[in-house]
Amino acid sequence: GAVVSQHPSWVICKSGTSVKIECRSLDFQATTMFWYRQFPKQSLMLMATSNEGSKATYEQGVEKDKFLINHASLTLSTLTVTSAHPEDSSFYICSVTTGQAAQPQHFGDGTRLSIL
Amino acid sequence: AQSVTQLDSHVSVSEGTPVLLRCNYSSSYSPSLFWYVQHPNKGLQLLLKYTSAATLVKGINGFEAEFKKSETSFHLTKPSAHMSDAAEYFCVVSATGGGNKLTFGTGTQLKVEL
Repeated sequence: GAVVSQHPSWVICKSGTSVKIECRSLDFQATTMFWYRQFPKQSLMLMATSNEGSKATYEQGVEKDKFLINHASLTLSTLTVTSAHPEDSSFYICSVTTGQAAQPQHFGDGTRLSIL
Repeated sequence: AQSVTQLDSHVSVSEGTPVLLRCNYSSSYSPSLFWYVQHPNKGLQLLLKYTSAATLVKGINGFEAEFKKSETSFHLTKPSAHMSDAAEYFCVVSATGGGNKLTFGTGTQLKVEL
């Protein structure tokens, strides 16, 4: 069964609005969650590492004020794309892990975000 | 530092024939290696993982991979392709001591023809 639930799977919204994406760990308490962005026909690009109870760690070049991450519990992390613009349109994927070394990450089904 | 190179961006096979997807890696630490599969508009599903135990790793759906340290390779194979295997495959490395961050290869698109 699914280990990770990501919602919504698909969203279309107008430019300037904010969009929240949820990532839930269903099978275990995830101390660490990751947020990725994937452009068409490309690999995944890590945006940020989300640790429960602390501030997220953003990768170089990712605007932390643009992509707000909240990891308020051991089973939920959210990514909010603030004041979204067409260039933010992409496929966003989260993953969860126990944080133990060598353990695989489990991925959500992704969110297709389209900004008009 | 760590990196992954998937040598083929596209592989096409006939149904029932063997599959070989090639992957080479580099890592400053003892690596953990994974193969993930992604179907269109879906997240990634773990096929198999290598974490310093047996060098020949068996995964789901008949896939397996062999870790060869001397060649820094972790190629994915399957004896007989099925139409449902058509998807994007990613070779991924995670370095112990690397904070569990993953480094992804650029992906290999597998096409299976009748």
